[in-house]
Amino acid sequence: GENVEQHPSTLSVQEGDSAVIKCTYSDSASNYFPWYKQELGKRPQLIIDIRSNVGEKKDQRIAVTLNKTAKHFSLHITETQPEDSAVYFCAGPPSDYKLSFGAGTTVTVRA
Amino acid sequence: SQTIHQWPATLVQPVGSPLSLECTVEGTSNPNLYWYRQAAGRGLQLLFYSVGIGQISSEVPQNLSASRPQDRQFILSSKKLLLSDSGFYLCAWRDRGKFTEAFFGQGTRLTVV
Repeated sequence: GENVEQHPSTLSVQEGDSAVIKCTYSDSASNYFPWYKQELGKRPQLIIDIRSNVGEKKDQRIAVTLNKTAKHFSLHITETQPEDSAVYFCAGPPSDYKLSFGAGTTVTVRA
Repeated sequence: SQTIHQWPATLVQPVGSPLSLECTVEGTSNPNLYWYRQAAGRGLQLLFYSVGIGQISSEVPQNLSASRPQDRQFILSSKKLLLSDSGFYLCAWRDRGKFTEAFFGQGTRLTVV
């Protein structure tokens, strides 16, 4: 998979505010951009993904946007709640076999 | 439906001892299989991946090895553990192709003492 740079590494937000995490990639041929969430002590799970033929995808309070020109994709969480506290990973656009992840963002939602 | 089993959940091993972690997948055929390590508060480091029986690709030089003796079985091993091998080990699988979701096992928390 392609390496990606993920920022920020930590993010603290007030409950109800929005959170945005960004990943930058370099391979212009990349066409699939997933996001995973890992709660404390648990396994990562896919929460949303997007393919390159669309610019944005929403699922309730989460959304992913893609800017192919700038080569970055972002995870947006609106109206944050305590259960959104977790580590979020973007995955490097995968090849048919290899799958690597960004460094992760620890999101803390303050009550 | 597909399931992934990884065991044990926790393991405490002395330095210099061997290691064997096992992962099996049910409900799918010919999956891509992965081993990741996660240090406390850190990211997912890809250790090994496999596209078929006996086919192992290593991402990071270390004293760990992996094997895939059967289509849906992936084993992570070490002959002699180091303190630095401590971490959270995750097995994962996904179907072939680029647009496929990865499914993770429950993880093994390894502490080398």
